[in-house]
Amino acid sequence: QKEVEQDPGPLSVPEGAIVSLNCTYSNSAFQYFMWYRQYSRKGPELLMYTYSSGNKEDGRFTAQVDKSSKYISLFIRDSQPSDSATYLCKGGKLIFGQGTELSVKP
Amino acid sequence: EAGVTQSPTHLIKTRGQQATLRCSPISGHTSVYWYQQALGLGLQFLLWYDEGEERNRGNFPPRFSGRQFPNYSSELNVNALELEDSALYLCASSLDRYTGELFFGEGSRLTVL
Repeated sequence: QKEVEQDPGPLSVPEGAIVSLNCTYSNSAFQYFMWYRQYSRKGPELLMYTYSSGNKEDGRFTAQVDKSSKYISLFIRDSQPSDSATYLCKGGKLIFGQGTELSVKP
Repeated sequence: EAGVTQSPTHLIKTRGQQATLRCSPISGHTSVYWYQQALGLGLQFLLWYDEGEERNRGNFPPRFSGRQFPNYSSELNVNALELEDSALYLCASSLDRYTGELFFGEGSRLTVL
């Protein structure tokens, strides 16, 4: 079992939709959880950062961690075509999920 | 402020050759991380250097090696190249070694023929 599991998609939604991206993890020692966004032919960039359980909101983005179920989520409200990218979750310091490719259609 | 820089951008090698990739971290960052991103496989952790020492290593064979220099720049060496080594190699740096907030470069694309 991989330490961080993520559905690779691809996921296609219409503009304005609410997007839900999810990961599960197996290592109970993970305290920090992050979401990165990677545009085509670019390096990943940090999008959201959460510590332990709870929610964190930043504009249209909300990151959620449920340590009891080892589940991490990223919600994107009012999705835009510019949100089209690969989204990668990260548990702890080093381990990334496989990434979910998101396409937002105008 | 300059971000993480990697060189070369593209590299083409043949099987059995050696490849060397270079990375300069953000000024003030002491930790450097290397990841391999092969098609369909996500980001696979390769190596982590901090303060000149190898701190952790991913599940890769010993022909993947590297080092960190006193100025915190780093290089990744891949010996005896195999076709499946073809991938995007991403370097990241971090100011805080504890939280793992990584800042990535644009990557070096290695093609093995």
